[in-house]
Amino acid sequence: GENVEQHPSTLSVQEGDSAVIKCTYSDSASNYFPWYKQELGKGPQLIIDIRSNVGEKKDQRIAVTLNKTAKHFSLHITETQPEDSAVYFCAVSNDYKLSFGAGTTVTVRA
Amino acid sequence: SAVISQKPSRDICQRGTSLTIQCQVDSQVTMMFWYRQQPGQSLTLIATANQGSEATYESGFVIDKFPISRPNLTFSTLTVSNMSPEDSSIYLCSVEGGSGGDTQYFGPGTRLTVL
Repeated sequence: GENVEQHPSTLSVQEGDSAVIKCTYSDSASNYFPWYKQELGKGPQLIIDIRSNVGEKKDQRIAVTLNKTAKHFSLHITETQPEDSAVYFCAVSNDYKLSFGAGTTVTVRA
Repeated sequence: SAVISQKPSRDICQRGTSLTIQCQVDSQVTMMFWYRQQPGQSLTLIATANQGSEATYESGFVIDKFPISRPNLTFSTLTVSNMSPEDSSIYLCSVEGGSGGDTQYFGPGTRLTVL
């Protein structure tokens, strides 16, 4: 199956700074790359996604970049706020099945 | 996005018993999925449940342990059978985004503790 590696496992940033999380995958046939945010006690929430025919996508303070040649994609959060503190998961889709990274615990320090 | 609910939200069960988890979505969807999230871990796909056909299980998961029903396009159940403490996890259902693509939306999860 698909192997998804996610780094770092934990990330602490000062409020207002940027956060970057990186994921790599193994299957070159993968074509859909979503990011989820999971707050304590809740289910994962889709925050942004990108498809293989697009290199970058932005939604307000969140952006995702994709390098299909290198098989890696990244989540960028700018101007971090305390409510951005959560666990973030990258995922890779192949034939409608999602394979998830191990997760990154992001803590935004006030 | 779809509104998804799960019942129960949490439960504490004795080993050797079974628990059935319900997943309800507010719109008709073809594909529903069941995931397991062990404590502090990532999500692992258990099976894909399509209406009118048998569920498709991923490697490491079997129907006898995790029987699934999908009676219509808005509802599914997952049963965790003959539970042991190792089954203590969050069980999540998800549904396709409705655009025919790969997007999935998740329910709030069922937090299961097996004693």
